[in-house]
Amino acid sequence: GENVEQHPSTLSVQEGDSAVIKCTYSDSASNYFPWYKQELGKRPQLIIDIRSNVGEKKDQRIAVTLNKTAKHFSLHITETQPEDSAVYFCAASPNMDTGRRALTFGSGTRLQVQP
Amino acid sequence: DAGVTQSPTHLIKTRGQQVTLRCSPKSGHDTVSWYQQALGQGPQFIFQYYEEEERQRGNFPDRFSGHQFPNYSSELNVNALLLGDSALYLCASNPDRVTDTQYFGPGTRLTVL
Repeated sequence: GENVEQHPSTLSVQEGDSAVIKCTYSDSASNYFPWYKQELGKRPQLIIDIRSNVGEKKDQRIAVTLNKTAKHFSLHITETQPEDSAVYFCAASPNMDTGRRALTFGSGTRLQVQP
Repeated sequence: DAGVTQSPTHLIKTRGQQVTLRCSPKSGHDTVSWYQQALGQGPQFIFQYYEEEERQRGNFPDRFSGHQFPNYSSELNVNALLLGDSALYLCASNPDRVTDTQYFGPGTRLTVL
């Protein structure tokens, strides 16, 4: 089955700096890669996702890049703000004939943005 | 429009007991997936239901079972509870086979003593 590794496990940055979180996956059949943000005691919330037919996607201060050959994808957050502090999870999923996906998650990165 | 809801919020059980957790998907969603999130770890896929049948299953023992009702709501049952079953149980829903974005509920925190 799929295996997703995520680094670093913790990341501390100064407000205004950029943060980068990296993930690798093992299953070449995976073609959907969402990123979730989970604040303490709250549900995971989708912040951005990418499919394997594109190499990069941006949404305001957040971007995700995908390298299918190397089987890795990264989350980039620019101009970080204290409210970006949370645990971030990457995930990967293969395409199913049904279209309904089971996500394999990384172990999470705790991002702390220092004011 | 209500999002994904789960009940109860918290639950305390003892080893060997059985537990039932409930999930109502977001309005218009027909697929429900269950995940187990141990403390400090990422969610792990348990199983997925649509059309009232289990369609996919992760690497979890048969002690974990589920059900989906005609209104698309779902239950997760865990028998013979172990200390290691203590975790946050998350339910996620997505609308159909075309839209694969999953929306998570707030979770049920299960503590096994």
